Amino acid sequence: GENVEQHPSTLSVQEGDSAVIKCTYSDSASNYFPWYKQELGKRPQLIIDIRSNVGEKKDQRIAVTLNKTAKHFSLHITETQPEDSAVYFCAASMGGNEKLTFGTGTRLTIIP
Amino acid sequence: NAGVTQTPKFRVLKTGQSMTLLCAQDMNHEYMYWYRQDPGMGLRLIHYSVGEGTTAKGEVPDGYNVSRLKKQNFLLGLESAAPSQTSVYFCASSLQGTPLHFGNGTRLTVT
Repeated sequence: GENVEQHPSTLSVQEGDSAVIKCTYSDSASNYFPWYKQELGKRPQLIIDIRSNVGEKKDQRIAVTLNKTAKHFSLHITETQPEDSAVYFCAASMGGNEKLTFGTGTRLTIIP
Repeated sequence: NAGVTQTPKFRVLKTGQSMTLLCAQDMNHEYMYWYRQDPGMGLRLIHYSVGEGTTAKGEVPDGYNVSRLKKQNFLLGLESAAPSQTSVYFCASSLQGTPLHFGNGTRLTVT
């Protein structure tokens, strides 16, 4: 089955700087890559996703890049703010949500 | 519009006891899922359902049973709880091909 590795497990960034979280996947058939944000004690929420026919997608300060050849994708957060502090999960799927495999999460801390 | 609602929010069980977690959604979603979240392990799919009356196994189904008698409800049962089932449980729902909508989670401790 699919295996998703996520790095780093923890990341501290000065407010205003950029943060990058990387994930690799094992199954070349995977074609859907969402990112979820989970604030402390709350539910995971989708922040951005990308499909394999696209190399990059942006939404304001958040962007995701996908390298199908290398089988890795990354989340980029620019101009970080205190409210960006959370745990971020990447995931990969070759079909529907029932085939989603999650990474182990990255705890991002924004230092004021 | 409540979205996905889970009950209870917290529960403590003794080894061998049974319980049922309830998930309800009001978005008319066909698909519903139960995940468990453990430190350092991300979210792992226990069981899921693609419609009323259907259920299927996910990645970690052992020790759990589910039922989807009504489209809006998805029940997760533990027949004989074990300490290894101490976790935070999340229910989610979706339409086909759309992102997951998660509930607020249930924190279960088995002593």
